[in-house]
Amino acid sequence: QVQLVQSGAEVKKPGASVKVSCKAIGYTFSTYYVQWVRQAPGQGLEWMAVISPSGDRTKYAQNLRDRVTVTRDTATNTAYMEVSSLRSEDTAVYFCAREPPGSGSFEMWGQGTAVTVSS
Amino acid sequence: QSALTQPASVSGSPGQSITISCTGTSSDVGHYNLVSWYQQHPGKAPKVMIYEGSKRPSGVSNRFSGSKSGSTASLTISGLQAEDEAEYYCCAYAGDSGYVFGTGTKVIVL
Repeated sequence: QVQLVQSGAEVKKPGASVKVSCKAIGYTFSTYYVQWVRQAPGQGLEWMAVISPSGDRTKYAQNLRDRVTVTRDTATNTAYMEVSSLRSEDTAVYFCAREPPGSGSFEMWGQGTAVTVSS
Repeated sequence: QSALTQPASVSGSPGQSITISCTGTSSDVGHYNLVSWYQQHPGKAPKVMIYEGSKRPSGVSNRFSGSKSGSTASLTISGLQAEDEAEYYCCAYAGDSGYVFGTGTKVIVL
């Protein structure tokens, strides 16, 4: 079955880092972009970052580019998103999604990973 | 990059048609034909309903349609059904700034 499976929920202290994984199952991982989107409790969707199919190009939201890093490992069909210097405002559900190149369509989503930042 | 502007809520009776607007700028909605729309039920991941402004993915009901005029995109749901009650988000490509989502619209089926 074609799907994106994300890592489990995390609880972190302010100032720590978190790394969320997104494993592609059932399709050719290296032919799609991977997008990252987050949603704070009761809030809307916020675009965070994207990584190209080969992993050689990335783009970040302006307000996050100093603290977010996205990578991908074609050997394991897994994409990663790391947020450093966590703040309470980073408490959110983090989603990965695949995008066919050039379509602008986040056509398939992972189940989401809840990250809670609390002292 | 500021969020695209959507109405907070739109309501309609079963069978009616409703339209959700999504207003951006000449740097995103008005510049690229890469506007998509997502439906999100509580506690679930979003689902793409429209991409490239007006294209419908396989499996999405033809009751959903998209259009664009200038810097404003629109999603129309015709023949409104109870299962359409959800939050809807537009999303636009913004070039070097990446992507930007709308503020979200809650669709209420009366």
